[in-house]
Amino acid sequence: AQSVTQPDIHITVSEGASLELRCNYSYGATPYLFWYVQSPGQGLQLLLKYFSGDTLVQGIKGFEAEFKRSQSSFNLRKPSVHWSDAAEYFCAVGARGGATNKLIFGTGTLLAVQP
Amino acid sequence: SQTIHQWPATLVQPVGSPLSLECTVEGTSNPNLYWYRQAAGRGLQLLFYSVGIGQISSEVPQNLSASRPQDRQFILSSKKLLLSDSGFYLCAWGTSGIEQYFGPGTRLTVT
Repeated sequence: AQSVTQPDIHITVSEGASLELRCNYSYGATPYLFWYVQSPGQGLQLLLKYFSGDTLVQGIKGFEAEFKRSQSSFNLRKPSVHWSDAAEYFCAVGARGGATNKLIFGTGTLLAVQP
Repeated sequence: SQTIHQWPATLVQPVGSPLSLECTVEGTSNPNLYWYRQAAGRGLQLLFYSVGIGQISSEVPQNLSASRPQDRQFILSSKKLLLSDSGFYLCAWGTSGIEQYFGPGTRLTVT
């Protein structure tokens, strides 16, 4: 069965510092991979996705993520964090070939940004 | 462009009362539709999904039901709310590209 693990429940970084949020998945083949961001009281916004090809994917708001098959990871990175990046971040995995296109979400990482 | 709406934005209901949450999508046809519930610190739990009108699949046995009376309308209902139904309810739509796009959510508090 598919699963997603986000080992960091809460992370605090200083504004301007670099950021890396971890995501590990369990799946029998190469899955579809996603990162979403959620501001308080809001819906989820898609940051980026990996389907195939180049393992380093660029997303919106200056975020990028790298797919590492050998480590079953899809970590999210940003070189310089802005105060507006404070939010909750969710990694998700989807199965290839399914008719329903269901996603499995991690439990999220809450990012706080210090001035 | 596609837009997804949810209403109401917030709702406070007593235990035992009925529930109806509505989700509509604009700008796309025959989308897959999803209802999720989000509890604090628990991530997103998929409740229902639909691949077409009248086609509903339930992921978790519960006090809730879903219906899809029109192609771009998805409704979440309950006949009698429980305290444990409190949470943040999110509707999402998707296509063959598998990514999902989320609505703004409904905050439900059962008192």
